[in-house]
Amino acid sequence: AQKVTQAQTEISVVEKEDVTLDCVYETRDTTYYLFWYKQPPSGELVFLIRRNSFDEQNEISGRYSWNFQKSTSSFNFTITASQVVDSAVYFCALGDTNAGKSTFGDGTTLTVKP
Amino acid sequence: EAGVAQSPRYKIIEKRQSVAFWCNPISGHATLYWYQQILGQGPKLLIQFQNNGVVDDSQLPKDRFSAERLKGVDSTLKIQPAKLEDSAVYLCASSFGSGTGTQETQYFGPGTRLLVL
Repeated sequence: AQKVTQAQTEISVVEKEDVTLDCVYETRDTTYYLFWYKQPPSGELVFLIRRNSFDEQNEISGRYSWNFQKSTSSFNFTITASQVVDSAVYFCALGDTNAGKSTFGDGTTLTVKP
Repeated sequence: EAGVAQSPRYKIIEKRQSVAFWCNPISGHATLYWYQQILGQGPKLLIQFQNNGVVDDSQLPKDRFSAERLKGVDSTLKIQPAKLEDSAVYLCASSFGSGTGTQETQYFGPGTRLLVL
């Protein structure tokens, strides 16, 4: 069975601080995908990144960066110089290549205070 | 490009009543998903369609939930009769490809917030 654990339920930082959201996953598949989504108060899940299991290169997109470590089954997400607009719930998800469905973690609520 | 549309955005019903949700995916997207998101939890897949066929409905409570995707485009999700524990946000998502053998990025609609009293 696939499982995603986001151990941090809530994180609160002050604007301009860096913050890392942790994601640990479990799967028996050798090929899989990992995702991060952002859910602002409006409720719509916004896609941030997709990573396949063969690509362990870290990725940077503006203030966002992702650290994928297969050895520890982790796919952590860092926001540099956080802003108030980053306040949202962030979900990590694990994609099953056989059936195409995703298993989501329970999310981390990030609050960025001015 | 228009995103995934859902209606209604909010619905309040009493237990044992029926309710239906509608979803219109992104044009050209073959795969459509319905998720249930209970407060404080991540989305849980209820049913996945590829065109108008069901790919996965293993977590759909079939005694009260039903879904259809006629003509492989729009979809409706129905609950009959509703229970208190059905209070949640129902999210619809769509993806471009086949949904199998790969993992297409899913694009989500705004969701329908259901409150069962």
